[in-house]
Amino acid sequence: QKEVEQNSGPLSVPEGAIASLNCTYSDRGSQSFFWYRQYSGKSPELIMFIYSNGDKEDGRFTAQLNKASQYVSLLIRDSQPSDSATYLCAVLGGGGSYIPTFGRGTSLIVHP
Amino acid sequence: DTEVTQTPKHLVMGMTNKKSLKCEQHMGHRAMYWYKQKAKKPPELMFVYSYEKLSINESVPSRFSPECPNSSLLNLHLHALQPEDSALYLCASSQRYPSTLTGNTIYFGEGSWLTVV
Repeated sequence: QKEVEQNSGPLSVPEGAIASLNCTYSDRGSQSFFWYRQYSGKSPELIMFIYSNGDKEDGRFTAQLNKASQYVSLLIRDSQPSDSATYLCAVLGGGGSYIPTFGRGTSLIVHP
Repeated sequence: DTEVTQTPKHLVMGMTNKKSLKCEQHMGHRAMYWYKQKAKKPPELMFVYSYEKLSINESVPSRFSPECPNSSLLNLHLHALQPEDSALYLCASSQRYPSTLTGNTIYFGEGSWLTVV
């Protein structure tokens, strides 16, 4: 049984701070990792994907992947109140599976 | 803006009604998905279509009937639903299924909120 673990939060950070969202996964064969943002009452929106160990940056967002530790994270720099949402980690691959396994999501609150 | 469009945005139906959810994608993707999401839970896979053929049915009750008329369209026919089926229904697409890494990126539509009364 593949597992993707996220702290449900809420994670509360002040405006302008760095928000760090973490995700661990159980399947060592996992190959692709995705971060989705979901505002309350809305559908998940893809923020980033990462396949290789290391960091991947896109604007204020940085995804970090460490396959040895089975750990993927999302950093949000200069957090804004509009970043307040639930962030879903999804992990794909391993064992011939091509369907992503979603974590339960971390609720982020950015307060002014 | 998402290139996966879903209609209707909201649907209220009785337990004896028959209704359909519709989805269209304009990205040239050959894989389409239906997910169900309850409050404060992650999306739960229901069906996967690949090249208009059903590839995965996650043991979904027969009161949910998917249909893929062509590579751009996906429907979910609803009949004799129960109140516990009330949820956000998400359509999604990816380049293809199964796929290499890049082709596995799933893009969601805005969802259809379903309430069964």
